[in-house]
Amino acid sequence: DIQMTQSPSSLSASVGDRVTITCRASQGINNNLAWFQQKPGKAPKSLIYAASSLQSGVPSKFSGSGSGTDFTLTISSLQPEDFATYYCQQYNSYPYTFGQGTKLEIK
Amino acid sequence: QVHLVQSGAEVKKPGSSVKVSCKASGGTFRNYAINWVRQAPGQGLEWMGGFIPPFGPTNYAQKFQGRVTITADESTTTGFMELSSLRSEDTAVYYCASQPLVLVTDLGVGAFDIWGQGTMVTVSS
Repeated sequence: DIQMTQSPSSLSASVGDRVTITCRASQGINNNLAWFQQKPGKAPKSLIYAASSLQSGVPSKFSGSGSGTDFTLTISSLQPEDFATYYCQQYNSYPYTFGQGTKLEIK
Repeated sequence: QVHLVQSGAEVKKPGSSVKVSCKASGGTFRNYAINWVRQAPGQGLEWMGGFIPPFGPTNYAQKFQGRVTITADESTTTGFMELSSLRSEDTAVYYCASQPLVLVTDLGVGAFDIWGQGTMVTVSS
């Protein structure tokens, strides 16, 4: 199975900050990587597919990059509604696997 | 765009089975794979398996092989996930998620796009 490792596991930031979350795959997954946002008690929301493409309706403050094994999610100009847990997921091969999550908290 | 609505919360005894449904509307059912993901309390997301319509294949995570059955009924545009031999560790929120078919690519599928609202399954004696 492909292991997905996110860093950091948690992150404190202030409103207006720019943050970056990293996701590393244990083997190459081309660009078949997605990012999701999850708020407490809610279903995940899809943000990014194919490593860098925004899902419909997702604001451009979210951006993704990377290919192969190393990927990043960047969120610019943090707003209160952006504080949540973020997950990466590879869909390059079965079984699909998720990172352990990064909890973004208000400083 | 597809909209997914799941069945309601369940409370089950250890050793029993649970079947969760995921009703799709607003899209063409055959254009999406339906995947199932679960999340234990306070934990991360765990992929269980997925079904590519209309006739499969169905792919399962090894961890659930033999205990989980994922199916779909095209006539009602509904996906199903049945988990048997339930134990307390299966207490979790179960989500369905749609995955568009992208036949022009090598993979044939894209990323998860739409998620159901989740179904809480509690396993307790």
